[in-house]
Amino acid sequence: NAGVTQTPKFRILKIGQSMTLQCTQDMNHNYMYWYRQDPGMGLKLIYYSVGAGITDKGEVPNGYNVSRSTTEDFPLRLELAAPSQTSVYFCASSKTGTYNEQFFGPGTRLTVL
Amino acid sequence: RKEVEQDPGPFNVPEGATVAFNCTYSNSASQSFFWYRQDCRKEPKLLMSVYSSGNEDGRFTAQLNRASQYISLLIRDSKLSDSATYLCVVNGSPGSSNTGKLIFGQGTTLQVKP
Repeated sequence: NAGVTQTPKFRILKIGQSMTLQCTQDMNHNYMYWYRQDPGMGLKLIYYSVGAGITDKGEVPNGYNVSRSTTEDFPLRLELAAPSQTSVYFCASSKTGTYNEQFFGPGTRLTVL
Repeated sequence: RKEVEQDPGPFNVPEGATVAFNCTYSNSASQSFFWYRQDCRKEPKLLMSVYSSGNEDGRFTAQLNRASQYISLLIRDSKLSDSATYLCVVNGSPGSSNTGKLIFGQGTTLQVKP
């Protein structure tokens, strides 16, 4: 099993550009999450999904969109990139909710200039 | 008050030392608690879950005090390989909504020196 994979690993965007961060898991997990981590800070939840076709906002959803058309994939879309979106983005998945371990992908380092 | 609060450190300790990390959380209804480990420029990985009765895994011991809303992690006989950031994590949607949302502390950095 590859676990949770994310692409790209690194990206530099100009202000106003858009991009999609890809996330795929091969563990047949129902739950998937997107977090961002700013330097010296904990992870903050952007969006999450409890199954294909179901998504909901987390703590910091503004400027982002998600979709979940399959169990495996959970892409995160950035529209009109801003410098405040410079961060490390982690995708994670878990089998079920509250009591289950979340498995993280290796992250995408995004810089917006 | 932050939902999950940790002393950011850094903690600089010699090999073989015992070190303790503390964490407080604000939501008394929280049901699940974890310690995650994050190496530099890597993703977080689960170190251990924290149970009400306390639990131990080798050199690592986790304790939960629900009355004080306090979680701790004790590392005995520190190794160089223990150098990392330790994240205190609490479930963010207590109650019936099983969304799996987690609230992360900002992490405590440990540096073990020879």
